[in-house]
Amino acid sequence: AQSVTQPDIHITVSEGASLELRCNYSYGATPYLFWYVQSPGQGLQLLLKYFSGDTLVQGIKGFEAEFKRSQSSFNLRKPSVHWSDAAEYFCAVGDPYSGAGSYQLTFGKGTKLSVIP
Amino acid sequence: DAGITQSPRHKVTETGTPVTLRCHQTENHRYMYWYRQDPGHGLRLIHYSYGVKDTDKGEVSDGYSVSRSKTEDFLLTLESATSSQTSVYFCAISEASGGPGEQYFGPGTRLTVT
Repeated sequence: AQSVTQPDIHITVSEGASLELRCNYSYGATPYLFWYVQSPGQGLQLLLKYFSGDTLVQGIKGFEAEFKRSQSSFNLRKPSVHWSDAAEYFCAVGDPYSGAGSYQLTFGKGTKLSVIP
Repeated sequence: DAGITQSPRHKVTETGTPVTLRCHQTENHRYMYWYRQDPGHGLRLIHYSYGVKDTDKGEVSDGYSVSRSKTEDFLLTLESATSSQTSVYFCAISEASGGPGEQYFGPGTRLTVT
C-alpha cells in the first residue's frame, strides 16, 4: 500500500518569500500525485496533479510541483507567497494499477502554512 | 466548482443516538467518498462507493455504514454515535476513468457528539 509523508507540520514564511512544501511517498512504481489546499473552514481544493510526462507541473494560484522519482518526492513550490496563501496543504497519492473498484487516494497529514505580512 | 453539497453542515448530537449525513452531487461522477478530518491525522477514508449499491470500507470504517441507492446521493450513518466520532466529515467525488483521478470535495459537516 502506498503512503505519504509531509515532514513539516507547520511552516511560517514572510509575504513575498519563496515557498517549498515537502512531500515524500512510498510506492513501488510511479503513483498519481496531487496537491490540495484547504482554507480555514473550507473543503479541499485541487492545486495540481501529476500522472505522467513532464515532471514539472503547473497548477492554479501560481503553484508548481516537481516530481523526482529518485527521491520519491513531489514538492510544492511558489516563488512569491501572498498573505492569501495561508492555509493547510495536503499531498496525496493514488495507485494507477489498482482495480476499478478501489480507486482511492492516500493523503498526507498536511502542512499548515502561516504567512507574515 | 463541482456541484457537491453536504447536509447538515453542523450537527450536535448525544452519545448513543443515530446520525445520518448526506452527500449530494450534480456531476454524475461514479465514485464517492466519505472522509473524516481530525487534527494531527489529516484526512482518513471511512467508506467509498464505486457505483450505485457498490461500496467498500476504508481505513477507519468501524462504527460507520454507508448507502448509495442513487448515483447522486451517498449517505453516511453513525448507528450509535460516540464522542470519538466528533470530527469534520468531508464527502468527495471523482470520475476516475482509467485510474484514481482527482477528487472534488464538499464543504464539510462538523459533527459534535456530546
